[in-house]
Amino acid sequence: GESVGLHLPTLSVQEGDNSIINCAYSNSASDYFIWYKQESGKGPQFIIDIRSNMDKRQGQRVTVLLNKTVKHLSLQIAATQPGDSAVYFCAESLYNQGGKLIFGQGTELSVKP
Amino acid sequence: DAGVIQSPRHEVTEMGQEVTLRCKPISGHNSLFWYRQTMMRGLELLIYFNNNVPIDDSGMPEDRFSAKMPNASFSTLKIQPSEPRDSAVYFCASSLGHATNEKLFFGSGTQLSVL
Repeated sequence: GESVGLHLPTLSVQEGDNSIINCAYSNSASDYFIWYKQESGKGPQFIIDIRSNMDKRQGQRVTVLLNKTVKHLSLQIAATQPGDSAVYFCAESLYNQGGKLIFGQGTELSVKP
Repeated sequence: DAGVIQSPRHEVTEMGQEVTLRCKPISGHNSLFWYRQTMMRGLELLIYFNNNVPIDDSGMPEDRFSAKMPNASFSTLKIQPSEPRDSAVYFCASSLGHATNEKLFFGSGTQLSVL
């Protein structure tokens, strides 16, 4: 079946540096992508989303890039802070399978002070 | 808004017992989702509702699992009888629209342990 996966299960960065979390998706028909942040003991929290008619979208300190040619999604966090330490999930929506969000396995981001 | 509210936060039960998880979606939201999270399988969609009607329950693992949404402000996920392999964190989420490809707002989850 189709799946969403992450290249790096763990990522460690220095406070103040920029972080890049990558995600590969396998279905070129996917038309919606979303990033969530999950802190320990909490539910996933929405960060940013992007639809397939866009290549880039920016939020507060975060940018999502979508490369449809290679079916790759990335989340960039500027000036990473200790509070950014969490597990980050990407998810894709498979329109031809009812549009349900399918989540990847997650990347753990650790920010060193 | 208080967000999506789930109860209980933690549930420990013995194999064979009935377990009921509860969820109150965000007021005004039209869709409600139940997810299960484990280390091995990540976040899995179990079932979702639009306007209180179950739309897709293909993710429900077995007949031991059932979900209801009697009104727009309440849903339950029941496991009867429970088994140790059901141990996981169960999340409820809601969204404003009727489409599934839009952002979901998650509750804090119920940590279920079946001994």
